[in-house]
Amino acid sequence: DADVTQTPRNRITKTGKRIMLECSQTKGHDRMYWYRQDPGLGLQLIYYSFDVKDINKGEISDGYSVSRQAQAKFSLSLESAIPNQTALYFCATSADGVYNEQFFGPGTRLTVL
Amino acid sequence: QKEVEQDPGPLSVPEGAIVSLNCTYSNSAFQYFMWYRQYSRKGPELLMYTYSSGNKEDGRFTAQVDKSSKYISLFIRDSQPSDSATYLCAMVNAGNMLTFGGGTRLMVKP
Repeated sequence: DADVTQTPRNRITKTGKRIMLECSQTKGHDRMYWYRQDPGLGLQLIYYSFDVKDINKGEISDGYSVSRQAQAKFSLSLESAIPNQTALYFCATSADGVYNEQFFGPGTRLTVL
Repeated sequence: QKEVEQDPGPLSVPEGAIVSLNCTYSNSAFQYFMWYRQYSRKGPELLMYTYSSGNKEDGRFTAQVDKSSKYISLFIRDSQPSDSATYLCAMVNAGNMLTFGGGTRLMVKP
């Protein structure tokens, strides 16, 4: 079984709809992250959490919110989706290590019409 | 200007060629340097990491860091079609967070 799972894998929605992307991990890591990937822009950090009671904004948090329901679960919400939020979304986890190796889920392809 | 710059490619090479992938960066605070490989429709996976200036080898892969020039490279020897992927450089800052380059798409043709 995969260590980091994301649901759904693909989602098409309409402008203005609320969307939730879910991430679960079995690696036992405290740190979890949400990124979006656009062609040529690499991975941009949306939110991150170092433990269940810790939530931090990343570089592109506007229009997004998150919830850390448990050590193993971290959800990303788009309260009112807009077309420029069409992208690949990745969840990642890491241990509290020196060089912060991050382990990524398989991604969610989101299309907002 | 982005903190980390990476040529998006695509880079197309014949099987067996030596591949050179590069990134430049502007933030002197970056402490660790990583290369992630991302296959189509998959999440990125860590390929190599290095801390100091110099070279680090792992099989057919060599990571090179030149902190004085703020330049890192990944060399792939005897490239294989299975190496076809997007390669992302990533840098770790003092706050232990990653900054990614935009990725270079590599295609190795049989």
